[in-house]
Amino acid sequence: QQQVKQSPQSLIVQKGGISIINCAYENTAFDYFPWYQQFPGKGPALLIAIRPDVSEKKEGRFTISFNKSAKQFSLHIMDSQPGDSATYFCAASTETSGSRLTFGEGTQLTVNP
Amino acid sequence: NAGVTQTPKFRVLKTGQSMTLLCAQDMNHEYMYWYRQDPGMGLRLIHYSVGEGTTAKGEVPDGYNVSRLKKQNFLLGLESAAPSQTSVYFCASSYRTLANYGYTFGSGTRLTVV
Repeated sequence: QQQVKQSPQSLIVQKGGISIINCAYENTAFDYFPWYQQFPGKGPALLIAIRPDVSEKKEGRFTISFNKSAKQFSLHIMDSQPGDSATYFCAASTETSGSRLTFGEGTQLTVNP
Repeated sequence: NAGVTQTPKFRVLKTGQSMTLLCAQDMNHEYMYWYRQDPGMGLRLIHYSVGEGTTAKGEVPDGYNVSRLKKQNFLLGLESAAPSQTSVYFCASSYRTLANYGYTFGSGTRLTVV
């Protein structure tokens, strides 16, 4: 049972465009929603994270939008660059889970020059 | 400042063989985790530890064992490898507090079971 569902599986965007990756969750106890970026041959690295008491968080070109009522959150990458080409994972965690993360399936993003 | 170090980086096993994956962290993190990554399935938690001498099962623990004898090390063992255990294994560590998980992943171990 996948508690965090991520889409699309793959995404191709032109340089300068907006990349949007969506995630939906089931467990209403989730209270921490990070996004990870993974380059080939490397481990995932934290990109940006949000808690459910805010609807949006922005860090540079990366923005998380959070919709608590719909149980959905999304990552927006503005002015996408070829260097952003990577696999992106959304994840979720709860206060009582001991920092265990439940991951989405991942999205392979390709930004064409 | 090595962060999280995994050894080995690559390994090929025959079905039925055993092996141990080593994870070492130098950040004094309380929590450590083993995840496996498979195409189209994201990362799934195998086992985790909330402190030295403690371990607990995650989402997919069958066929694996772990030990945390020292705070900085977390070992993942495969007693009798099966082809279904072909995967990329990631170790991670984090702080205890929720204010800053400080999750750090190692660079992974690619395991092939033939």
